[in-house]
Amino acid sequence: DFVMTQSPLSLPVTLGQPASISCRSSQSLVYSDGNTYLNWFQQRPGQSPRRLIYKVSNRDSGVPDRFSGSGSGTDFTLKISRVEAEDVGVYYCMQGTHWLPLTFGGGTKVEIK
Amino acid sequence: EVQLVESGGGLVQPGGSLRLSCAASGFTFSNYWMSWVRQAPGKGLEWVANIKQDGSEKYYVDSVKGRFTISRDNAKNSLFLQMNSLRAEDTAVYYCRGGHDAFDIWGQGTMVTVSS
Repeated sequence: DFVMTQSPLSLPVTLGQPASISCRSSQSLVYSDGNTYLNWFQQRPGQSPRRLIYKVSNRDSGVPDRFSGSGSGTDFTLKISRVEAEDVGVYYCMQGTHWLPLTFGGGTKVEIK
Repeated sequence: EVQLVESGGGLVQPGGSLRLSCAASGFTFSNYWMSWVRQAPGKGLEWVANIKQDGSEKYYVDSVKGRFTISRDNAKNSLFLQMNSLRAEDTAVYYCRGGHDAFDIWGQGTMVTVSS
C-alpha cells in the first residue's frame, strides 16, 4: 500500500525561530501530466484543516509568505521561516497523485517551547 | 461568503445508517470534484470518498466500499454521504472538501458516533 511518512511527530519551536517538517512518499509523486500533487495542510486546535501549499510549492491565497514548500519525487519539506504563536497546530502532507487511496501523512504537531 | 456546511451527524448504533449532507455556497459547486474526509478522535486525517463534477465517477477508501455511497445534487449545491452498516471504527468528524488547483475549501465538520 502507498505510504506517506512525516517527521518529526512533534516539533517544539521557539517563537521567531525556523521550523521544518519532512514528508516522504513510498513512490514518486510525479503524475503522468508532469505535475507533482503534494499538498500541505494546517489544522489549528479545534479547527478544520486548511490547505497551505499545493503542488509542492504553491502557496494558497492568504497564506503568509513565511510558509514555503519544496521537494521533488519522494521527498518534500514544509518550512516556516519564523514561527509565530498562531502557527501552533498539526501539519499534514497529502498526496493527490495516486488516487486510490488519496493519502495523508500521519501529522506533525508544532508547539511553542 | 465561500463556505461548506455539513449536517446530519449524530449518535447511531452499530449496524445503523446515517446520511450526511454538505451545503455549498459562494462558489460554482458544479465545477469541482468533491470529497469526504474523516478524522477519528485524536487521530489524523483519512480520505473517505471522491465524486466527479457530474457524478459520473466515484471512488472510495477500501474500508467503506459497499457500505458508503457518495452523491451530489448540483442543482441544490449539495453533497451527500449515505453511510450504512456503521461500525465503531467509523466514529469520526466527517469533513466535506472541494476544489482544484488554486481553490480548496473545507467545511467545519459533523461528528458521527457509532456506539451502543
